Amino acid sequence: DAMVIQNPRYQVTQFGKPVTLSCSQTLNHNVMYWYQQKSSQAPKLLFHYYDKDFNNEADTPDNFQSRRPNTSFCFLDIRSPGLGDAAMYLCATSRGNSGGTDTQYFGPGTRLTVL
Amino acid sequence: QQQVKQSPQSLIVQKGGISIINCAYENTAFDYFPWYQQFPGKGPALLIAIRPDVSEKKEGRFTISFNKSAKQFSLHIMDSQPGDSATYFCAASGGGADGLTFGKGTHLIIQP
Repeated sequence: DAMVIQNPRYQVTQFGKPVTLSCSQTLNHNVMYWYQQKSSQAPKLLFHYYDKDFNNEADTPDNFQSRRPNTSFCFLDIRSPGLGDAAMYLCATSRGNSGGTDTQYFGPGTRLTVL
Repeated sequence: QQQVKQSPQSLIVQKGGISIINCAYENTAFDYFPWYQQFPGKGPALLIAIRPDVSEKKEGRFTISFNKSAKQFSLHIMDSQPGDSATYFCAASGGGADGLTFGKGTHLIIQP
């Protein structure tokens, strides 16, 4: 089945220790997104790639970076995780069609714990 | 500034009843309004979506009502079932590759 895959599902890191989260997709979609969802809150967009074009949200901290080496994979790097970065990180994909009907498909998320 | 306001925060409905969740938006550039369902420990899954050129869309037990002039839209779940118990998020975007702006979510419980 075509899908959005996130690894690992659970990640524990130490305060200040860099961590990388992975997302892959078999949908061949043009756009890949990263959202942060803190406990009992709505998902918040961090950034997205349209093909190789990177689009950062204005309020995304510099501590968060992303890489998209090819169509299928996208990575979220947190350079120096703080306690406030503990959250569920959601990857999503879409075709990137114009016309306002583009569905975003979400992966199961990676739950990050910062000790 | 919260661009999509969602209410209520939590909702308890008896099995067979109608669940109603409301959202309001501020940005008139939004032209795509999806609803997502999220179960604990899972990613959000698209439930139903609407564009502002229609006032209502129905898929099975789920209906979106849209009021463009009031900048409001709502989700109605008919004949609510215990399996519908989940968190529901409304969202909005400008379409295309734009990211989604989510409401704060509604925790829905359907009592047997």
